[in-house]
Amino acid sequence: DVKVTQSSRYLVKRTGEKVFLECVQDMDHENMFWYRQDPGLGLRLIYFSYDVKMKEKGDIPEGYSVSREKKERFSLILESASTNQTSMYLCASSRKTQYFGPGTRLLVL
Amino acid sequence: KNEVEQSPQNLTAQEGEFITINCSYSVGISALHWLQQHPGGGIVSLFMLSSGKKKHGRLIATINIQEKHSSLHITASHPRDSAVYICAAPNSGGSNYKLTFGKGTLLTVNP
Repeated sequence: DVKVTQSSRYLVKRTGEKVFLECVQDMDHENMFWYRQDPGLGLRLIYFSYDVKMKEKGDIPEGYSVSREKKERFSLILESASTNQTSMYLCASSRKTQYFGPGTRLLVL
Repeated sequence: KNEVEQSPQNLTAQEGEFITINCSYSVGISALHWLQQHPGGGIVSLFMLSSGKKKHGRLIATINIQEKHSSLHITASHPRDSAVYICAAPNSGGSNYKLTFGKGTLLTVNP
């Protein structure tokens, strides 16, 4: 079975803090994704990576950056967390079908 | 970018009822995805289909490429089917891997 894991299920941070969310997949997938999910807005793509060190902006990249130094690991970075980044963050990996991690619920105070 | 619309937003059913959730999209695609999200967050891919019909247990997904429309059916619904069902379509002009998601249909099946 494909396994996508995320570093934390719940996270509480203060405004202005630098936040790292990590995602690891074990199926050698080229494609990895970071989404955020908000009530009434559905899933929105933040960043997409199609290979090591390769990335593309999604629909809402502002305030976020990503890092993919190894194929299995895709990190989402909030350089200076703000309250409007309070959300559920979901990572996924794919070859064709997308496999999702369990999500990280981030609260920024 | 593909526009993906789902209906209804909320659906309440009695156990045993036949359920239909609809999805329409604006731009021609190679394949459409149906996903399920249970309370607590985990998202599971149910189907990826490019034509016709696919069946998995009590779940059936159909797609009409010409009409840009897909449906997800659940036969003999059960309370454990209660979840959010999400359809997703590839963005126009981009790779098949970048998806636009519908806002989801919250299904509640009462015993």
